[in-house]
Amino acid sequence: GEDVEQSLFLSVREGDSSVINCTYTDSSSTYLYWYKQEPGAGLQLLTYIFSNMDMKQDQRLTVLLNKKDKHLSLRIADTQTGDSAIYFCAESEGSSNTGKLIFGQGTTLQVKP
Amino acid sequence: EAQVTQNPRYLITVTGKKLTVTCSQNMNHEYMSWYRQDPGLGLRQIYYSMNVEVTDKGDVPEGYKVSRKEKRNFPLILESPSPNQTSLYFCASRLQGGTEAFFGQGTRLTVV
Repeated sequence: GEDVEQSLFLSVREGDSSVINCTYTDSSSTYLYWYKQEPGAGLQLLTYIFSNMDMKQDQRLTVLLNKKDKHLSLRIADTQTGDSAIYFCAESEGSSNTGKLIFGQGTTLQVKP
Repeated sequence: EAQVTQNPRYLITVTGKKLTVTCSQNMNHEYMSWYRQDPGLGLRQIYYSMNVEVTDKGDVPEGYKVSRKEKRNFPLILESPSPNQTSLYFCASRLQGGTEAFFGQGTRLTVV
């Protein structure tokens, strides 16, 4: 079945760039998403990319999509302590019309001052 | 304000005592779903509903029930909770054909 994989932990220094990587298996996914979860909070949609795009930029966030390798990345420029959170990659299940999202395990981003 | 509201936010219960977690959305979305979040596993879909009276199993439906009698509400029912259902639960809704799913704030359930 469909699967989404992420590394579990990333630590960076404040001001550096963070790159969170994700691989997925469903080549028929229509959209790929990045969600942010702060401690004790729900899921906040950060950004998404349509499957026929290679790149999307939104202020400090850059999403790169390599369809051939089924690889998605999220780059956060000038990382701040407020960016510390769990980041989830998700793909929409393309084979059905259920709108189901398939999530990765989540990457905990730790930003050191 | 457009939102998905879950209640309660926190719940501690004992094994076997039936409970219901409510979910309500005010955006007239057709599609609603329940996920559970466990460390190292991400979010896994429990049940989903594509419209009123239309529900189906997700990836981890065992031990759960749902109903969709009205468009805005999608309660999650645990008839006989067990400790392995201790988890963080999220309800989500989405417009049919829409790109963004809206999530509730989560319900942290502990079954002892």
